[in-house]
Amino acid sequence: NAGVTQTPKFRVLKTGQSMTLLCAQDMNHEYMYWYRQDPGMGLRLIHYSVGEGTTAKGEVPDGYNVSRLKKQNFLLGLESAAPSQTSVYFCASSLGTLPEKQYFGPGTRLTVL
Amino acid sequence: DQQVKQNSPSLSVQEGRISILNCDYTNSMFDYFLWYKKYPAEGPTFLISISSIKDKNEDGRFTVFLNKSAKHLSLHIVPSQPGDSAVYFCAATDSGTYKYIFGTGTRLKVLA
Repeated sequence: NAGVTQTPKFRVLKTGQSMTLLCAQDMNHEYMYWYRQDPGMGLRLIHYSVGEGTTAKGEVPDGYNVSRLKKQNFLLGLESAAPSQTSVYFCASSLGTLPEKQYFGPGTRLTVL
Repeated sequence: DQQVKQNSPSLSVQEGRISILNCDYTNSMFDYFLWYKKYPAEGPTFLISISSIKDKNEDGRFTVFLNKSAKHLSLHIVPSQPGDSAVYFCAATDSGTYKYIFGTGTRLKVLA
């Protein structure tokens, strides 16, 4: 039981490049979330999903897109990376009741030059 | 506008003593609160939570207190252990929504 995994762990991009971050969970959780963590800012919600095939915007969605084609996977895409997107990205999942604790992945450290 | 605030960026405590981490919120709609612990290079892990219908919740060495009138919650760790050294985040939500608002974190260092 791996819990929540994230791929890749580290990535360096040049401005304007695109990439996809993958989040996978093996707990059969309904809800999945993408957060970013920046110094002095806590964790901020980018996008979330309440079930397979559904996505919704969080607090800071601009510049990101997401997809949830399979229940266990939640993808975060950057179409044209900007230095302001340099951050640590965390994926989380939860069972599907509200309110409830979330299980977090180990994070992806992204640097955009 | 920071709806959840952790005003102490860091805290040092001697092993065996009590650690008290504080969190303030401004949104009166928040009715569920959580504490997470984060080690370097790892994701946050859930520690303890409390509903607004309670004013205290205890789990082993960890106790969370909620003062709704002051919009304040605190996490008590007794006794503190070196393995408790980590960053602690409080989070709040209006149950029924999917948005959890996190504080900026407090770095706890427990000195042996």
